[in-house]
Amino acid sequence: ETGVTQTPRHLVMGMTNKKSLKCEQHLGHNAMYWYKQSAKKPLELMFVYNFKEQTENNSVPSRFSPECPNSSHLFLHLHTLQPEDSALYLCASRSQETQYFGPGTRLLVL
Amino acid sequence: QKEVEQNSGPLSVPEGAIASLNCTYSDRGSQSFFWYRQYSGKSPELIMSIYSNGDKEDGRFTAQLNKASQYVSLLIRDSQPSDSATYLCAVTAQYSSASKIIFGSGTRLSIRP
Repeated sequence: ETGVTQTPRHLVMGMTNKKSLKCEQHLGHNAMYWYKQSAKKPLELMFVYNFKEQTENNSVPSRFSPECPNSSHLFLHLHTLQPEDSALYLCASRSQETQYFGPGTRLLVL
Repeated sequence: QKEVEQNSGPLSVPEGAIASLNCTYSDRGSQSFFWYRQYSGKSPELIMSIYSNGDKEDGRFTAQLNKASQYVSLLIRDSQPSDSATYLCAVTAQYSSASKIIFGSGTRLSIRP
């Protein structure tokens, strides 16, 4: 357990659905991240939030919409996704030097 | 040029031997270096961090850093089947103010009994 939780752990959605992924940490970290990991591919950084402000958007399609209401919570809102968006979505938070990952949400888009 | 490069493997090592994993990085300003272990279907788990040149040992793991050569490695002594996983090298990016860590694509390690 790293202290970073993610819900749901598994999600199946149709291309017309709207869903949200949630990430929570109570480690006192100020930076939070969303990563995408497709099968047999490296981690892809999607978004970075620092003190609730988005500081990085790594050319992510607008069908992914992040939200960071406070330093402890991070959401990823999903709408009109494509089958190629099926992947493991990982949240992470960072202290001074160390980054910890949540368990991930395994997403399948049908 | 990729910012963090690793051999994708698979690297096959007999049980009990030393596994050696290597990583090179392009940003000379990087100050912090990490090794993560990721089991199939699981999230990455931090196993080592190193900040200064030389060796850092933690149990069966030794991280080695050479900033002049922009090279960081991970040695696993007395390899066990449970060490079979993908190992990700990660480096802080100094050009970004956003606390950005850059990951390599990982080396798949297989320990054969």
